Amino acid sequence: QSALTQPASVSGSPGQSITISCTGTYSDVGGYNFVSWYQLRPGKAPKLMISEVTTRPSGVPDRFSGSKSGNTASLTISGLQAEDEANYYCSSYTNSGTLVVFGGGTKLTVL
Amino acid sequence: QVQLQESGPGLVKPSETLSLTCTVSGDSVISYYWSWIRQPPGRGLDWIGYFFHHGTTNYNPSLKSRVSMSVDTSKNQFSLNLTSVTAADTAVYYCARFRRPDYYMDIWGQGTLVTVSS
Repeated sequence: QSALTQPASVSGSPGQSITISCTGTYSDVGGYNFVSWYQLRPGKAPKLMISEVTTRPSGVPDRFSGSKSGNTASLTISGLQAEDEANYYCSSYTNSGTLVVFGGGTKLTVL
Repeated sequence: QVQLQESGPGLVKPSETLSLTCTVSGDSVISYYWSWIRQPPGRGLDWIGYFFHHGTTNYNPSLKSRVSMSVDTSKNQFSLNLTSVTAADTAVYYCARFRRPDYYMDIWGQGTLVTVSS
C-alpha cells in the first residue's frame, strides 16, 4: 500500500480538463512544499512534470499545473491531448525516515 | 542533454545479489546526487535511496540492511547492489538524478526489469 493516495484512474475527452489528487499527511504533502509529479508511459523513461508543488520544468507544456491545499496536492491537465494518456505518480518528501514516498499512480485515459 | 541508462542481469536467483549499473551521459556523476527507484509488477513506485559521490547515502529503512550504492567516476557510472533477494524484489529498476534539497528526480533512465527466480 502506497504512502500517498491517488485515484486509480481518471478519464477525459480531448480538450477537457482533468485533475488528479494526491493525499498524504502533515508528515509529507501537508508539511512541506516538496511534491512532484511524474508521467510514466510504456517503453519510455519517466518524465518529471511538476516539482516543488507548482514548478513546471522547461519543456513541459503549460497545460500541466500543480497545486496544494492542506494534505492534498493536485495535478491539473487542461486541454487534454491524446499524448497525455499515461500513468501519473505523485511523490513527496517525508519526515518519517523513508525520505521520499510515492502515490500508487493514476491511469489517465483520453477518450 | 543528460541521459541515463540502466544495465545488468535480467534474472537473478533467490538469495543472490542483484547488481545494476547506471551509465550517465551528458553530465558528470560527481556533480549531482543520484537515486534508485523500483516498480514491482502491477504496483506503484518504491524509493530505494540516493547517494552522493563523496559517500553521503540515504537508503529506504525497509531495504537498508541489504542495499548499497557506489560510483565509478572513471566510467561515469553508479551502481546498486541488493543482497539476499527474494521474489518480492522482482521489479523494474530505475536510476534517476536526484535534486536536493528539493527532493525530486528530474532525469530518469528507461528502467530495466529484474526478475528473481530460480
